[in-house]
Amino acid sequence: GESVGLHLPTLSVQEGDNSIINCAYSNSASDYFIWYKQESGKGPQFIIDIRSNMDKRQGQRVTVLLNKTVKHLSLQIAATQPGDSAVYFCAENRGGNQFYFGTGTSLTVIP
Amino acid sequence: DAGITQSPRHKVTETGTPVTLRCHQTENHRYMYWYRQDPGHGLRLIHYSYGVKDTDKGEVSDGYSVSRSKTEDFLLTLESATSSQTSVYFCAIRSDREGETQYFGPGTRLLVL
Repeated sequence: GESVGLHLPTLSVQEGDNSIINCAYSNSASDYFIWYKQESGKGPQFIIDIRSNMDKRQGQRVTVLLNKTVKHLSLQIAATQPGDSAVYFCAENRGGNQFYFGTGTSLTVIP
Repeated sequence: DAGITQSPRHKVTETGTPVTLRCHQTENHRYMYWYRQDPGHGLRLIHYSYGVKDTDKGEVSDGYSVSRSKTEDFLLTLESATSSQTSVYFCAIRSDREGETQYFGPGTRLLVL
């Protein structure tokens, strides 16, 4: 089978530092990717997306980088805050109506 | 929150009983989805709907059925609940204005004893 969203399971960062969360995908046909944030007991929250015709997209304090050559996606969070503590996971769309989701990386921000 | 509510938010039931979960949206989105979330797995698609009375199976549809009799409601039914269906269930909509982006409801935590 194909792997989606290989993640390091946990990441701890100091408040104010930058965070980088990585995601690998294996389907070269995937053309659209989303990063979600999920806090404990809540539904996934959309953070940022990127299409395969781009290699970088910036939002407010977040940047997504896409490297299609090595099938790698990353989420960078600038000046990480305690409120950023959550599980982050990527989702890929291989065309059509189905997304495939990674298992996520748990980010802990140390005050 | 994309105007999505789920009910109930928590449910405990016994093996063999039928269970129906409801997803309600207020923005008339055409596409709606049901996912389950389990430890060690990413969200997995159970069923989705692309319009009233139009539904299709996802990756893990066995043991589940769905119905969509009106745009705003998408029901997920476990005909005879099993312990393997203990999970957190999320409904999602696909925004008609934003392409494929999916937005999620708050989830229903189901425990099957």
